[in-house]
Amino acid sequence: NAGVTQTPKFQVLKTGQSMTLQCAQDMNHEYMSWYRQDPGMGLRLIHYSVGAGITDQGEVPNGYNVSRSTTEDFPLRLLSAAPSQTSVYFCASTRGVRTGLTGNYGYTFGSGTRLTVV
Amino acid sequence: GESVGLHLPTLSVQEGDNSIINCAYSNSASDYFIWYKQESGKGPQFIIDIRSNMDKRQGQRVTVLLNKTVKHLSLQIAATQPGDSAVYFCAEKGGNDYKLSFGAGTTVTVRA
Repeated sequence: NAGVTQTPKFQVLKTGQSMTLQCAQDMNHEYMSWYRQDPGMGLRLIHYSVGAGITDQGEVPNGYNVSRSTTEDFPLRLLSAAPSQTSVYFCASTRGVRTGLTGNYGYTFGSGTRLTVV
Repeated sequence: GESVGLHLPTLSVQEGDNSIINCAYSNSASDYFIWYKQESGKGPQFIIDIRSNMDKRQGQRVTVLLNKTVKHLSLQIAATQPGDSAVYFCAEKGGNDYKLSFGAGTTVTVRA
């Protein structure tokens, strides 16, 4: 059981280049999301998906696209990279089903992709 | 928008002492809260959670307290160890969806 797998771990892009950050989970989780983390700040939600074929914007969606063609995969695309997108990106998933009064939602995070745009 | 925030950005603790990390939240509709630990170069790791119908929950060496009256959440770590050095985040989930909102984090440093 691999959990949430993110690739690549590190990436350097030139301004204007495009790329896709990959995220895959093998826990059959309904809900998946992308966050970015900047120094001294918490995680900010970019996009999320409540199931295959359904995506929506989070707090900081500009400059990013997502799709959810399968339950397992939730790629994040940078359309035209900018230095302001230099950050660490985390993918997370949850089963999205209540598990009772004391159950948890099982939010699981990947290990992150460190992106630098020059 | 509404957000979750932590009171202090850093906390220095003597090894063996207890640590208390605080968090204030503003969304009264939040029904679920999580504490995460993030070590350098890694993703957030789940520590403990609590639902809004509870005011206390205990795990191994950790306790989370929830005060809905003042919208305050705290994480207590007993007998703090060097391996507890990390950034700690609180996160809240709104009542109607699964989105998590995070505070800015508290960096805990354990002194030997």
